[in-house]
Amino acid sequence: QLQLQESGPGLVKPSETLSLTCTVSGGSISSSSYQWGWIRQPPGQGLERIGTIYYSGNTYYNPSLKSRVTISVDTSKNQFSLKLSSVTAADTAVYYCASLWLAPYYFDYWGQGTLVTVSS
Amino acid sequence: QSALTQPPSASGSPGQSVTISCTGTSSDVGAYNYVSWYQQHPGKAPKVMIFEVSKRPSGVPDRFSGSKSGNTASLTVSGLQAEDEADYYCSSYAGSNNFVFGTGTKVTVL
Repeated sequence: QLQLQESGPGLVKPSETLSLTCTVSGGSISSSSYQWGWIRQPPGQGLERIGTIYYSGNTYYNPSLKSRVTISVDTSKNQFSLKLSSVTAADTAVYYCASLWLAPYYFDYWGQGTLVTVSS
Repeated sequence: QSALTQPPSASGSPGQSVTISCTGTSSDVGAYNYVSWYQQHPGKAPKVMIFEVSKRPSGVPDRFSGSKSGNTASLTVSGLQAEDEADYYCSSYAGSNNFVFGTGTKVTVL
């Protein structure tokens, strides 16, 4: 059974870059059956897909965030990471990492989520 | 890439059934049988309840069922129990490795 754990700063200043890492255990991030994703949820609001990455490094971003998002993978550490640049208060959210099981295409394992607040 | 449309709220008494709709377009819900439903309790991560429109992962009670007609998918919770009170989100594959979530529905057990 996969386990995912987010880590990173809980407070980021406006205009700076948000950086989070997700550590995967219980399985290999190099599995051909999965993509690895970031999803966020602003307080009191719904879920928003940020993007996903395949172990090969292929990335698939939400078009609305694409210009500010970079997702990368480190197979040697079984980790993948998120960078979101030029953040504003609107980027304040709980950020989840999750595993996307390909065809059937659903997120089957999720991290517990980490709250990132954008504030000076 | 617009969010799928769900009703903001739904409710039912214990033992009753509640059905939540999820309306998309011919490019997402209508195009693929990759609709999933997630349950989220306050402060918790989402948990998948239905995938591929109507399939249940191991461990999900058969009180949860899914269906689809055209551009609209539905989740039905039969025999409502107190622990079913939660937020529910649909999600659909939208092609080219894109996914879209629904706006979310708060289910209240009266």
